[in-house]
Amino acid sequence: ELKVEQNPLFLSMQEGKNYTIYCNYSTTSDRLYWYRQDPGKSLESLFVLLSNGAVKQEGRLMASLDTKARLSTLHITAAVHDLSATYFCAVDPGVGETSGSRLTFGEGTQLTVNP
Amino acid sequence: SAVISQKPSRDICQRGTSLTIQCQVDSQVTMMFWYRQQPGQSLTLIATANQGSEATYESGFVIDKFPISRPNLTFSTLTVSNMSPEDSSIYLCSVLASGRLGETQYFGPGTRLLVL
Repeated sequence: ELKVEQNPLFLSMQEGKNYTIYCNYSTTSDRLYWYRQDPGKSLESLFVLLSNGAVKQEGRLMASLDTKARLSTLHITAAVHDLSATYFCAVDPGVGETSGSRLTFGEGTQLTVNP
Repeated sequence: SAVISQKPSRDICQRGTSLTIQCQVDSQVTMMFWYRQQPGQSLTLIATANQGSEATYESGFVIDKFPISRPNLTFSTLTVSNMSPEDSSIYLCSVLASGRLGETQYFGPGTRLLVL
């Protein structure tokens, strides 16, 4: 059974600071996704990482994937209050026709950025 | 990308009753999915619904409890049957589609269900 673990689960940080959220998973996969969820809202897709060594950046967020270590990171640079949300990683163990389908989500990291 | 709507957005139901949740997408998609998110928790995949075939259920979810229909490439329904308070959750549908980020799952706004 695929297990996906995120840490930390709760993160309170000051504006302007940097921090990294970690996503570890238990089985071979080269597809990993990051989502953001605001309170009471649905999930917004942030990053799609499809191969070992993939690095994607969008604004103050940068995501990377190390398939050999079974680890993805979401790095926050110079945090601002608007980044406060819950961040989920999701792993896709599928290949071929089943890729992108049976996602297993991590527990989520609830990020609060304080002024 | 894909724009997804769900109905109802929320409901309060009595135990023992059933609720059908509708999911509509603005483009034709092959794969649609149903997830459950219990309050403050992560998402758990209930089933995959492909048009023209029976839904595929994940471990712990059965068709009698969560029957799914997928009559065409833009629509699906999930029924939560014989509800109990433990079924109180947010139910989300998603679709696999290509967009600016690549191919990923796009999620609907969710249906917030409270069972009394």
